[in-house]
Amino acid sequence: GQQLNQSPQSMFIQEGEDVSMNCTSSSIFNTWLWYKQDPGEGPVLLIALYKAGELTSNGRLTAQFGITRKDSFLNISASIPSDVGIYFCAGPPIFSGGSNYKLTFGKGTLLTVNP
Amino acid sequence: GAGVSQTPSNKVTEKGKYVELRCDPISGHTALYWYRQSLGQGPEFLIYFQGTGAADDSGLPNDRFFAVRPEGSVSTLKIQRTERGDSAVYLCASSLKGTGYNEQFFGPGTRLTVL
Repeated sequence: GQQLNQSPQSMFIQEGEDVSMNCTSSSIFNTWLWYKQDPGEGPVLLIALYKAGELTSNGRLTAQFGITRKDSFLNISASIPSDVGIYFCAGPPIFSGGSNYKLTFGKGTLLTVNP
Repeated sequence: GAGVSQTPSNKVTEKGKYVELRCDPISGHTALYWYRQSLGQGPEFLIYFQGTGAADDSGLPNDRFFAVRPEGSVSTLKIQRTERGDSAVYLCASSLKGTGYNEQFFGPGTRLTVL
C-alpha cells in the first residue's frame, strides 16, 4: 500500500527548543494533514494544507505543503512540555480519486520534551 | 459539545471469540470511519459509512470483519473468530460529510487484546 515516510522516528529535545519534522511520499497528495496523538487518545488535527506551496501556521506550529505535492514539513517553535506526543502526517493520495475520506497515515514522530 | 465516544475502552478476549466494538459519532455527522492502529504504526483505514450504508469497505482485512450503522448514527464493528493478530487499537472517526475533504474527528479508541 501507499507509504508515507516520516522522519525522524523520535526526537528528544529541551523545553524552549524549536522542532522540525517531515513527511515524504512517492505519490502526489491532494491534501496534507498533521495530527497529534496523546497516549490513550485518538489523533487530533493540528493543521490542514490544501495546495502546493501553502504555508500555514497555528500558534507555535507551522506546516508547509511541498511544491512537488509529495512532501510536507511541520515546525514547532519554542517547545513546551505539553507538546509531548506522537505527530502523524496524513492525507488522501491523489490516486484515491474521489476518495478524499480515505486517509493514509505515516508511522509518526515521537516527540519528548525535557523540562 | 460531546466528541466521538467509543466503548469499551479496553477489551480482552480469547482467540476464536466474537467481539463487538461500538462507536457514537458526533451528533449531526453523516460520515463515519473505522481505522485500526497497530503498535508503533499510524491508523489504517478500514471502512467508511455515509449515512446507513457502507460506502467503502475496501480496508477490511478479511471477511471476519464486519461493520454496521443501521440508523445512520451509532456504528458497531464486529470481529468473528478473533486471532492474536487482530490485537490493536480500533479508532472511530466522524465528519460532517464524506464528499470532498472534511475534517475527521477521532474517538479515543478501543484497545483490543486477543490472548
